[in-house]
Amino acid sequence: DQQVKQNSPSLSVQEGRISILNCDYTNSMFDYFLWYKKYPAEGPTFLISISSIKDKNEDGRFTVFLNKSAKHLSLHIVPSQPGDSAVYFCAAKVYSSASKIIFGSGTRLSIRP
Amino acid sequence: DVKVTQSSRYLVKRTGEKVFLECVQDMDHENMFWYRQDPGLGLRLIYFSYDVKMKEKGDIPEGYSVSREKKERFSLILESASTNQTSMYLCASRSSPDTQYFGPGTRLTVL
Repeated sequence: DQQVKQNSPSLSVQEGRISILNCDYTNSMFDYFLWYKKYPAEGPTFLISISSIKDKNEDGRFTVFLNKSAKHLSLHIVPSQPGDSAVYFCAAKVYSSASKIIFGSGTRLSIRP
Repeated sequence: DVKVTQSSRYLVKRTGEKVFLECVQDMDHENMFWYRQDPGLGLRLIYFSYDVKMKEKGDIPEGYSVSREKKERFSLILESASTNQTSMYLCASRSSPDTQYFGPGTRLTVL
């Protein structure tokens, strides 16, 4: 049973446009949500996070939105750049757990010229 | 600059061999993790260590063990490698609740 779901395995966006990556979750006991970016042959790198008490967090071109009632979060990248082409993982941390971070299956984002 | 290193980028082993994957971090983090990444499944937690000599099973610990004798080093051991353990293995360490730093990964192939 996947508690964190990324239903789109891939996404193609034109350079300069907005990229929107989506993630759904089923567990109400998550207190932090995170996005990681992964290039081939490299480990994931932390991108941005949001606490469950907030509904938006922004960092430069990256904005994460959290809709708790819908159990949905999204990552917006504006404007999209060629270097954004990577696999993006959504992850969620279980409240009061030091170790329990559940990852989604990832979405491969391709930015086309 | 934070750094997590893994002993090998690529490894090929035979079924039944004992395999050691090493991970070293230079950030003095207490928490270290081992994950495996498989297509369509994301990252799954194998083991977690919250201090020297302390460990906790993750979601898929069967067939694996770990060792943490020093704070900076966390080892994953495949006692008897099997073909279904062919995967990408990722080590991570963590400072704050929401930030993990990952190593580059070890792609293990078990023949």
